[in-house]
Amino acid sequence: SQTIHQWPATLVQPVGSPLSLECTVEGTSNPNLYWYRQAAGRGLQLLFYSVGIGQISSEVPQNLSASRPQDRQFILSSKKLLLSDSGFYLCAWSFSQGNQPQHFGDGTRLSIL
Amino acid sequence: LAKTTQPISMDSYEGQEVNITCSHNNIATNDYITWYQQFPSQGPRFIIQGYKTKVTNEVASLFIPADRKSSTLSLPRVSLSDTAVYYCLVGEGIYGGSQGNLIFGKGTKLSVKP
Repeated sequence: SQTIHQWPATLVQPVGSPLSLECTVEGTSNPNLYWYRQAAGRGLQLLFYSVGIGQISSEVPQNLSASRPQDRQFILSSKKLLLSDSGFYLCAWSFSQGNQPQHFGDGTRLSIL
Repeated sequence: LAKTTQPISMDSYEGQEVNITCSHNNIATNDYITWYQQFPSQGPRFIIQGYKTKVTNEVASLFIPADRKSSTLSLPRVSLSDTAVYYCLVGEGIYGGSQGNLIFGKGTKLSVKP
């Protein structure tokens, strides 16, 4: 079976500091990978998705970037965090064929001070 | 993108059947309908997916009328642990022309009372 790991679970960072969140998937090859952000009391906002190594699609302009250095590894980064980057960050994967549902990790709660 | 409309909130009592309806008037031919459940501080969990008529699994049923302009998620005999936010998504996926299945709205907040 497939599993998704996302860490850390919580993170407190000062404004202007860098960020690196990591997500890995096990049990499948060539998955589609996704990063979402959820602000308090709101729906999920799709940030990035990837259909293969080195292939990143950005859905909204922002202070964040994503990379996929390996088939089952997806990294969310920032060089300088803003207060507005606070939120709940979720990584997800889906099978690459056809219309497949997404499977989410447990998320990272990011607080910017 | 096929836009979806769901009630913001619903209340129910333990043991009752709950039906949450989602409207998607401009659903495209290749779009599927997918429902997720989200508990506080957790990622959404896939519940059920369908294209037409009725789909049933161990957790829920999904009813889709012939015109596919709406769908109803049915949760039989809910318990307190079913209190969560439920999302309805409609789309075809990354490779198709409609990526609505990647767009999560605010969902329906279901509160189950004892």
